[in-house]
Formats: sequence, structure tokens, C-alpha cells
Amino acid sequence: ERVMTQSPATLSVSPGERATLSCRASQSVSSNLAWYQQKPGQAPRLLIYGASTRATGIPARFSGSGSGTEFTLTISSLQSEDFAVYYCQHYNNWPPAATFGGGTKVELK
Amino acid sequence: QVQLVQSGAEVKKPGASVKVSCKASGYTFTGYYIHWVRQAPGQGLEWMGWINPDSGGTNFAQKFQGRVTVTGDTSITTAYMDLSRLTSDDTAVYYCARTYCSGGNCYTYFDYWGQGTLVTVSS
Repeated sequence: ERVMTQSPATLSVSPGERATLSCRASQSVSSNLAWYQQKPGQAPRLLIYGASTRATGIPARFSGSGSGTEFTLTISSLQSEDFAVYYCQHYNNWPPAATFGGGTKVELK
Repeated sequence: QVQLVQSGAEVKKPGASVKVSCKASGYTFTGYYIHWVRQAPGQGLEWMGWINPDSGGTNFAQKFQGRVTVTGDTSITTAYMDLSRLTSDDTAVYYCARTYCSGGNCYTYFDYWGQGTLVTVSS
């Protein structure tokens, strides 16, 4: 079973700064990697799929990169609404299955 | 617009079962798998399994096999997740989520989510 490990657990950032979040897979997941944002009391929101493709309506300041076992989510210039928890997710298309990372909390520095 | 609306919060005793519903609207219900994901208080997301509303086929993470049942009623475009033999470890928010599909292909990431249903297991 693949394990997805995110780091750091908490990232303290000032508005306008760049945030870099990491996700590592225990074995190669190719580019089958998605990123989500979750705010308190809300359901997760899809940001990135295919490791680097922004979902509909996601601002260009969010970008994803990587393949195989190492992935990165970058927020180029943090806005106030970006303080949240971010999860990576490996997905298997057949049979359908998903594994989430433990999350990275992006907080105000 | 696409919506997934879940049933309300539940409080159950250990050993009991809970059934959570997920009413879909704004799209063709039988065209997209519905997945279930849960989140314990203050914890991360845990994938549970899915249903193909068209065929009724299901599959679950090994951890939940034998204890979870997911069904769908196409006449009212609603999916149901039934979890039995509840323990305090099952206290969580349970989400339904729709698989992303494009160009006739579907991928196991989730573009629409329900609002979540809090299930509390307590004696």
C-alpha cells in the first residue's frame, strides 16, 4: 500500500510570500497526484490534478510539479484566503482508489 | 449546478449502525462514481470506497470491508453509506464526493463534495 507523506506539517508564511509544500510517495505514482485545499468547517476543494493541471477556477498563483515519488505545490504569492490545510492525494484509476497525505497547515506568520 | 447534499448529523452508540445519504443534482447521476471519504476530528482525510451508480458496483478500502455498505437509488439520485459495528474510532465527518470525468474518461480525484455529515459515536 502506498503511503503519502507531506512536509512540513505546518508552514508559517507572511502574506505575499511564496509557500512551497511537499508530498512524497512511498513508491512511484507516476503523475496520478492531486492537491486539495481545506478550510475549517468546509469540504476539501480540488486545486490540482495530474500533478500539475489546475482545476477549473483555480488561480494561477497555485502550481503543482513533480512526478514519480516527489511532488510540490507552490503558492507563488500567498493571499489571506490561502491560509488553510492542504492535502495531496494519490489516485488509482482502475480499480478506483485513493490515498491521502497527512496534510500541511499553512498559517499566518 | 452540481450539488451533493448530505443528511444531517448523527449520534450513535457503540455497536450500532449509521446510514448517511448523499443527494446528487445538477448532473447525470449514473455517469459519475460517488466516493466516500471521512475525517476524524482534527485529523486528515481517509478514503473509504465508492459506488458506480450505473451498475451498483462497489469497492472499499480493505480497512472497511465487511463493515460498510454503499448503495444507490437512481430514481432519486441518492447514494447511501451504511457503516456497522460502530466504535468511538468511527467518530468523524463523512463526505461523499464525485469522481472527475472528462472526455468519456473518469479519474479518481474529486471535483465536487458534499457538505459533510458528522457522525458521533458515544455511549
